[in-house]
Amino acid sequence: GAVVSQHPSWVICKSGTSVKIECRSLDFQATTMFWYRQFPKQSLMLMATSNEGSKATYEQGVEKDKFLINHASLTLSTLTVTSAHPEDSSFYICSAPFRSGALRELFFGEGSRLTVL
Amino acid sequence: GIQVEQSPPDLILQEGANSTLRCNFSDSVNNLQWFHQNPWGQLINLFYIPSGTKQNGRLSATTVATERYSLLYISSSQTTDSGVYFCAGDDKIIFGKGTRLHILP
Repeated sequence: GAVVSQHPSWVICKSGTSVKIECRSLDFQATTMFWYRQFPKQSLMLMATSNEGSKATYEQGVEKDKFLINHASLTLSTLTVTSAHPEDSSFYICSAPFRSGALRELFFGEGSRLTVL
Repeated sequence: GIQVEQSPPDLILQEGANSTLRCNFSDSVNNLQWFHQNPWGQLINLFYIPSGTKQNGRLSATTVATERYSLLYISSSQTTDSGVYFCAGDDKIIFGKGTRLHILP
């Protein structure tokens, strides 16, 4: 299957700092990528859709200025958590759809566990 | 938006047992997938199954798109099958709340 790589896998930062998480599709191109947030023992919540060459589309309730998304190329999307606070601590995971004809299968990165002190 | 309901929410089984996990959708969905989230958080693709039946070793899945549900079968469970199983669908890939499976040795 297709491979999506996410980095870093875990990060600890001080309150008020910004953290950047990268999501790369290694063996296919992705014009869109998805960013999710997952709290302990809960499901994945879609935060935003990253669009190559245009602005990201955010889900209702997600702060655009807090979670900056940039889709710099057909294989790279980044999520920057700005001015992080302890309540931003969470597991963030990205995904990219692999398309082949009518098939559209989503592949996920390894996830990034953010802890804000 | 589309609602995804998974059942059961929790399942504890003895090693070797079989299980059936269900996923119901409130409306027709595209791109239905099943995932296994391992203890480290990694989501592993199990099946891409918008319709029909597929099998992969001890796992198989069936989606009846006209009735808006999908089933995941796990046979001869092993402890390594433990974790959370999610179904997801639609263009935005909306996730259900998952089934937490615990296989006892």
